[in-house]
Amino acid sequence: EAQVTQNPRYLITVTGKKLTVTCSQNMNHEYMSWYRQDPGLGLRQIYYSMNVEVTDKGDVPEGYKVSRKEKRNFPLILESPSPNQTSLYFCASSSSGVLTEAFFGQGTRLTVV
Amino acid sequence: AQSVTQPDIHITVSEGASLELRCNYSYGATPYLFWYVQSPGQGLQLLLKYFSGDTLVQGIKGFEAEFKRSQSSFNLRKPSVHWSDAAEYFCAVVRNFGNEKLTFGTGTRLTIIP
Repeated sequence: EAQVTQNPRYLITVTGKKLTVTCSQNMNHEYMSWYRQDPGLGLRQIYYSMNVEVTDKGDVPEGYKVSRKEKRNFPLILESPSPNQTSLYFCASSSSGVLTEAFFGQGTRLTVV
Repeated sequence: AQSVTQPDIHITVSEGASLELRCNYSYGATPYLFWYVQSPGQGLQLLLKYFSGDTLVQGIKGFEAEFKRSQSSFNLRKPSVHWSDAAEYFCAVVRNFGNEKLTFGTGTRLTIIP
């Protein structure tokens, strides 16, 4: 089954403790991206990747890192999480760029206390 | 400045009634336009998109959208809603070709009453 898998689905952590949210897709898609969803703000793009070893900032990249060492994986790294990063995070992939249909993961609800 | 606006935060309609969800963009040129739906607890799913050509586009689940350049709008419509259409709907834009950022509106939550 074609899918985008995020782990974990739920995470509560403390301020400053490094964490990684994993994202994996099995569709051989070139384009992957991360979004955060906050009430009243919709989804905002954090980072995106056009292909392996090619990443770029979205609209809200501060406090986040990403890497794309393999085509299927695009982890989101929070080096020093803060409470304002409490949010619902989505990973998405599309076959060849942002104009092709994006397939979304189920989301990761992160709480930073 | 918000580049894509969804003026309605929450809409309630009766099952079987028609639906129109509004979306406006503020770019000078016509961007690439999308509508996505998010069912409760789920990720987003593409309903339809507009790049060029016929300004009335058909999507999945019986939805359609009409692009109106003069109004900078891309409104989503459905003639008769079903209880399963209750969800949050997002309009999204890509500003121009070569831009790899997908910008979402703030969403409209749709409630269906029996």
